[in-house]
Amino acid sequence: EVQLVESGGAVVQPGGSLRLSCAASGFTFNDYTMHWVRQLPGKGLEWVSLINWNGGSTYYGGSVKGRFTVSRDNNKNSLFLRMDSLTTDDTALYYCAKDMHSGYDRWIDNWGQGTLVTVSS
Amino acid sequence: QSVLTQPPSASGTPGQSVTISCSGSSSNIGSNSVSWYLQLPGTAPKLLIYSNNQRPSGVPDRFSGSRSGTSASLVISGLQSEDEADYHCAAWDDGLNAVVFGGGTRLTVL
Repeated sequence: EVQLVESGGAVVQPGGSLRLSCAASGFTFNDYTMHWVRQLPGKGLEWVSLINWNGGSTYYGGSVKGRFTVSRDNNKNSLFLRMDSLTTDDTALYYCAKDMHSGYDRWIDNWGQGTLVTVSS
Repeated sequence: QSVLTQPPSASGTPGQSVTISCSGSSSNIGSNSVSWYLQLPGTAPKLLIYSNNQRPSGVPDRFSGSRSGTSASLVISGLQSEDEADYHCAAWDDGLNAVVFGGGTRLTVL
């Protein structure tokens, strides 16, 4: 059974930094692209970032580009999100999610339970 | 403002069919497949439909998806009270090099 367990969420001041982690199990982690997706309070889903299987390719959503950095450690089956220059607009529940693809089709097939990041003074 | 457009709300009575739309553009739905996610209150999203119309194992065939041009639709037939949830569509956007989501549709079963 696929399990994705996020951690690292906290209350942080505007301008601060935070590092989120996601521990993966139940699948061959280094075979899969992984995502971070966030959900602002009472809002829809917003894609944050993806990283390919070996960390060689990364993509970011426009609102976090230049401030967030995604990385992974395949030896530890772990995904990370380094968040810098945080603003109140980054307050959200952050989900770790597993990618699946078939040919040119891609989708997210498993989600963690999320870790809450609150940016507040 | 989400790149994909969904109605904020939808409703139906038990047994009815409900359709939720998802509108995009040539750079996302027009050229890439659509997936749909169900989010029950207070829980993480769950995959409902992938590759426009494919159901993962365990998803009832009451749920069906389709894509035409730059729009996609999710149809829920035989509506049940437990279907009351938020529904989100998503697709890859070639212009943004990003996954884009709709704003989500809250389904109420009356």
